[in-house]
Amino acid sequence: KAGVTQTPRYLIKTRGQQVTLSCSPISGHRSVSWYQQTPGQGLQFLFEYFSETQRNKGNFPGRFSGRQFSNSRSEMNVSTLELGDSALYLCASSLTSGVFEEQFFGPGTRLTVL
Amino acid sequence: SQQGEEDPQALSIQEGENATMNCSYKTSINNLQWYRQNSGRGLVHLILIRSNEREKHSGRLRVTLDTSKKSSSLLITASRAADTASYFCATDAWIQGAQKLVFGQGTRLTINP
Repeated sequence: KAGVTQTPRYLIKTRGQQVTLSCSPISGHRSVSWYQQTPGQGLQFLFEYFSETQRNKGNFPGRFSGRQFSNSRSEMNVSTLELGDSALYLCASSLTSGVFEEQFFGPGTRLTVL
Repeated sequence: SQQGEEDPQALSIQEGENATMNCSYKTSINNLQWYRQNSGRGLVHLILIRSNEREKHSGRLRVTLDTSKKSSSLLITASRAADTASYFCATDAWIQGAQKLVFGQGTRLTINP
């Protein structure tokens, strides 16, 4: 069974630009969660999608958005990038909910904002 | 502040020794999970322990949960160089009307050969 894949793996953008990250969950998993990881703030929950609906949202500004498609693939978009958005963005999939069961993480997308 | 906080922040031991990491949390939980992360990569799930469980084993890993003290510990026995990684605990927490998984800051474990 293929694991969670994330594309691209590395990304360099400049302030003010926007970026879209992609996540393909494990086949059969319907829940996809996104996390931001930085040295200062650690791992912070961004949002969770289940069956194309956003089920939970973390405490991030509206510049961070996401969506999930009918095949459970998910995308995350960050608009008007700021230097502080530089981070490792991780997505994780689970059968029904990452809160109550094991999550499988992708390798992450490392975003650098210059 | 974080729902879960690990202690110590960093731990360095010799190969073959046991490593113990602790996690404390603030609010009632349904379950607690431990994850491992090798440098700058994705997390790998280790163990999930439910609030009605006190201890769980998986290979060289032993996790305990004390809900009265709101704490958990992860013991890795007979450590190996490959165990060098950061270890995170994660708990479910009600935040802004929704139940979310909240990670601690992690313990950075170094196994010296």
